[in-house]
Amino acid sequence: DVVMTQSPLSLPVTLGQPASISCRSSQSLVYSDGNTYLNWFQQRPGQSPRRLIYKVSNRDSGVPDRFSGSGSGTDFTLKISRVEAEDVGVYYCMQGTHWPHLTFGGGTKVEIK
Amino acid sequence: EVQLVESGGGLVQPGGSLRLSCVASGFIFKNYAMSWVRQAPGKGLEWVSAISGSGGTTNYADSVKGRFTISRDNSKNTVDLQMNNLGVDDTAVYYCAKDERSVESIWGQGRLVTVSS
Repeated sequence: DVVMTQSPLSLPVTLGQPASISCRSSQSLVYSDGNTYLNWFQQRPGQSPRRLIYKVSNRDSGVPDRFSGSGSGTDFTLKISRVEAEDVGVYYCMQGTHWPHLTFGGGTKVEIK
Repeated sequence: EVQLVESGGGLVQPGGSLRLSCVASGFIFKNYAMSWVRQAPGKGLEWVSAISGSGGTTNYADSVKGRFTISRDNSKNTVDLQMNNLGVDDTAVYYCAKDERSVESIWGQGRLVTVSS
């Protein structure tokens, strides 16, 4: 299976400051149809995961534009341009290229300093 | 409203069985593969099983293969997960999710399965 490695594990951030999370896959996530099925999720305490970004850089409906995704091949990044209090939670990357064997990164806990 | 609503789960002794069910609404269910994903207490997300839109293809994580069975009924918009020979390591919140390759992402609220004597 494809291994997804996230860093850092924990990310203390000052309100209003940017944050960046890295995700690396053990194999290329470029699918035969040309798409790269790399998604980012946010999980707030006590809630189900909520997808923020799909196919590397596409924001889901209702996701604030301070969230952005980038990357290609095996290296990907989620950025929050200015962290707000509601952004506290755990963030996961997930690959869907090697469906149905979805694999998730270990998670990055974002907290306010 | 587009949603997935799970039911079932609960407390079971090691070696026991449980069944989870997930009802979909607001989208053309038969057109989409469905997955089950679980999250052990305080841990990350783990894919468990998936089924194609027609139900003709099923897949399982190695950790549950031979013990869990996924199925769907497109006439009722439901996807089920039958879990047999449960062990303590199966304790988790189980989520059903619409095919994550889709433009629209939908996850259920999750159901807690606790395996304990």
